[in-house]
Amino acid sequence: EIVMTQSPATLSVSPGERATLSCRASQTISSNSAWYQQKPGQAPRLLIYGASTRATGIPARFSGSGSGTEFTLTISSLQSEDFAVYYCQQYHNWPFTFGPGTKVDIK
Amino acid sequence: EVQLVESGGGLVQPGGSLRLSCAASGFTFSNYRMHWVRQAPGKGLVWVSHINSDGSSTTYADSVKGRFTISRDNAKNTVYLQMSSLRAEETAVYFCLTDLVGGRNYWGQGTLVTVSS
Repeated sequence: EIVMTQSPATLSVSPGERATLSCRASQTISSNSAWYQQKPGQAPRLLIYGASTRATGIPARFSGSGSGTEFTLTISSLQSEDFAVYYCQQYHNWPFTFGPGTKVDIK
Repeated sequence: EVQLVESGGGLVQPGGSLRLSCAASGFTFSNYRMHWVRQAPGKGLVWVSHINSDGSSTTYADSVKGRFTISRDNAKNTVYLQMSSLRAEETAVYFCLTDLVGGRNYWGQGTLVTVSS
């Protein structure tokens, strides 16, 4: 099973600042990674797939990069609605696996 | 509009069984793989199972293999998760979701399964 790790566990950011979230896979997954955003009481929302492709309707301030084992989600200028938990996921091999999440909260 | 509506959650005793359903609408259900993901209270996301578009291929997380069975009825636009030998640690919200449909995926609202005596 491919293990996904995320850092940091919590990221405190001021509105308008840039946030950079990291994700690492325990073995190479090419570009078969995705990022999700989840707010309390809601289902997750797909932000990025294929490591860098924004999902339909996702604002341009969200961007993804990386390949192989290292991946990054960048939020260029945090808005109030962006404070949430973010998960990375690999879909390179079964079973698909998620990282433990990064909570982005208000500084 | 794409909609996924889960049902079948509830309270079950350890060792018991439960069948979850996920009714889909708003897209050509029979063209897409479907997945189940769960989330224990206050915890992260855990992928559970997938089924391909015609139901001929399935995969499972190691933790549920042999106890959970995913299936689908394309005539009813519904995917199922039959769960048996349930454990207390499997108390969670269970979500069904689609593969990518037009550049995004879709999730249901989730159904809560509580395993407790």
